[in-house]
Amino acid sequence: ETGVTQTPRHLVMGMTNKKSLKCEQHLGHNAMYWYKQSAKKPLELMFVYNFKEQTENNSVPSRFSPECPNSSHLFLHLHTLQPEDSALYLCASSQEGPGSGELFFGEGSRLTVL
Amino acid sequence: SQQGEEDPQALSIQEGENATMNCSYKTSINNLQWYRQNSGRGLVHLILIRSNEREKHSGRLRVTLDTSKKSSSLLITASRAADTASYFCATDGGDEKLTFGTGTRLTIIP
Repeated sequence: ETGVTQTPRHLVMGMTNKKSLKCEQHLGHNAMYWYKQSAKKPLELMFVYNFKEQTENNSVPSRFSPECPNSSHLFLHLHTLQPEDSALYLCASSQEGPGSGELFFGEGSRLTVL
Repeated sequence: SQQGEEDPQALSIQEGENATMNCSYKTSINNLQWYRQNSGRGLVHLILIRSNEREKHSGRLRVTLDTSKKSSSLLITASRAADTASYFCATDGGDEKLTFGTGTRLTIIP
């Protein structure tokens, strides 16, 4: 079992739909992250949570709404997305504080916006 | 930008040969990390090298860091088909962000 689990693995949605991506980590880490990976672009850091508090919002459009109810769970709520939002969304966690240690990634949620 | 940039963008070698990938970055760092990503999967951490270290080994991996040139290299020795993947460097500039490059796509030809 992987330490970081993401569901769903694949998601197709229309521009008017509302959906959520879920991430759960079983590693006892305190920092959790959402990254966006688009073709031929560097990984883009979207949000960082440290001890359930959001410490980074990297100028992400409001159609992406994160939620971190506890240190083990992280959600990304999606609504009114655009086709350019189609990408692989990766969740990660770390034992050390943001930016200072090894990241453990989930397998990603492949999102397609029609 | 703290972003690391990998070079080359793509690399194909015969199985058994060594593969070398390079990473350059722009400002001072606390550490530099290398990750591997198989197609459509998550990233897997390979190795972390701190700014006061010059070389680090892990199995068939050898990483070097030259802070004066702001560059790092990842060497994979005796490559195997299973090494086919994308490899990313990531830099920690002390700004609470780990910033990734665009990656090197490595193909090992059996």
